[in-house]
Amino acid sequence: DQQVKQNSPSLSVQEGRISILNCDYTNSMFDYFLWYKKYPAEGPTFLISISSIKDKNEDGRFTVFLNKSAKHLSLHIVPSQPGDSAVYFCAASSNTGNQFYFGTGTSLTVIP
Amino acid sequence: NAGVTQTPKFRILKIGQSMTLQCTQDMNHNYMYWYRQDPGMGLKLIYYSVGAGITDKGEVPNGYNVSRSTTEDFPLRLELAAPSQTSVYFCASRPRDRGWYEQFFGPGTRLTVL
Repeated sequence: DQQVKQNSPSLSVQEGRISILNCDYTNSMFDYFLWYKKYPAEGPTFLISISSIKDKNEDGRFTVFLNKSAKHLSLHIVPSQPGDSAVYFCAASSNTGNQFYFGTGTSLTVIP
Repeated sequence: NAGVTQTPKFRILKIGQSMTLQCTQDMNHNYMYWYRQDPGMGLKLIYYSVGAGITDKGEVPNGYNVSRSTTEDFPLRLELAAPSQTSVYFCASRPRDRGWYEQFFGPGTRLTVL
């Protein structure tokens, strides 16, 4: 049973435009949400996170939005750069932070 | 700091063989995790540990065992390898007191069982 879902396996965006990656979850006990970026043959690296008490968190070109009523979060990258081309995973956890549930990933390609 | 290191990088096992995947972190993190990633899928949690001497099962623990005798090391043991255990395995760690739950991942071990 997939508790965190990323329904778009891939996304292509022109350089300089906005990239929007989406993530849905089913477990209302999730309190903490994270986005990771992964290049081939490397481990994931942390990008940005948001707790359930907020609806937006911004870090440079990256913004995460959380809609708790819809159980939906999104990652916005503005402006997109070719170096952003990677697989992006969203992950969720309860407030214990003991277990994390990952989505299946979205492969972003930024076209120069 | 080397961060999270994993050995080996690649391994081919025959069905029924056993092996241990090694994971070490030098950041003095309390929490450590083992994940597997199958092609086209997300990461699934196998086991986790909240500190030395304490381990617990994640989503997909069957066929695996772990131990945590020190803060630094969190080895994953495969007994009686099966083709279904062909996957990429990632180890991760995080500190207890960081509010945003960021995990630091190793580079992964690619395991093939034939």
